[in-house]
Amino acid sequence: DAGVTQSPTHLIKTRGQQVTLRCSPKSGHDTVSWYQQALGQGPQFIFQYYEEEERQRGNFPDRFSGHQFPNYSSELNVNALWLGDSALYLCASSLEPGQGSNTEAFFGQGTRLTVV
Amino acid sequence: GEDVEQSLFLSVREGDSSVINCTYTDSSSTYLYWYKQEPGAGLQLLTYIFSNMDMKQDQRLTVLLNKKDKHLSLRIADTQTGDSAIYFCAETFTGGGNKLTFGTGTQLKVEL
Repeated sequence: DAGVTQSPTHLIKTRGQQVTLRCSPKSGHDTVSWYQQALGQGPQFIFQYYEEEERQRGNFPDRFSGHQFPNYSSELNVNALWLGDSALYLCASSLEPGQGSNTEAFFGQGTRLTVV
Repeated sequence: GEDVEQSLFLSVREGDSSVINCTYTDSSSTYLYWYKQEPGAGLQLLTYIFSNMDMKQDQRLTVLLNKKDKHLSLRIADTQTGDSAIYFCAETFTGGGNKLTFGTGTQLKVEL
């Protein structure tokens, strides 16, 4: 089991461009969440996908969008990139939790995005 | 609202115990977690505690939860150089699904 895999590992983009990041969840997992981790900060929740629908969203603008495919893999798209979008983007996969239960989130290694 | 705070830096000698602290504001927390992040790597779950528990021990790790004071701590016994990393506390809360709210992280440096 390869765990959660993300691609690419590093990326450099210019202001105003668009970027797509990809995530393959751990085998058997059906829920994918995306987080943004700026340098020196803790990860911030962007959104979560389950059954190909965005189920929850954090405090991020509409420039951030995503998609989940039938095989549970996911993409994060960011339009009109700003310098402030430079960060490590982390994908986490998990199983849909039952009522009140806990489900461990497994994180990928992340994609380091630099906007110049 | 959700706010999780940690001290930024902790330095200990190899073999000593480390205690990393975290405070949170959301009284509807369901689970509280400790994650480890090594340079250039993703997040590794170390342990977690259900919000109605006071303590959980897992080998060298001890988690203490004071729900009244909204204070969480992670004690690492016999700290080793391989424990040097950034440690994040995180919480999930009622109505939040399994969305994680992270603290700012504590950088642990273990010296010989």
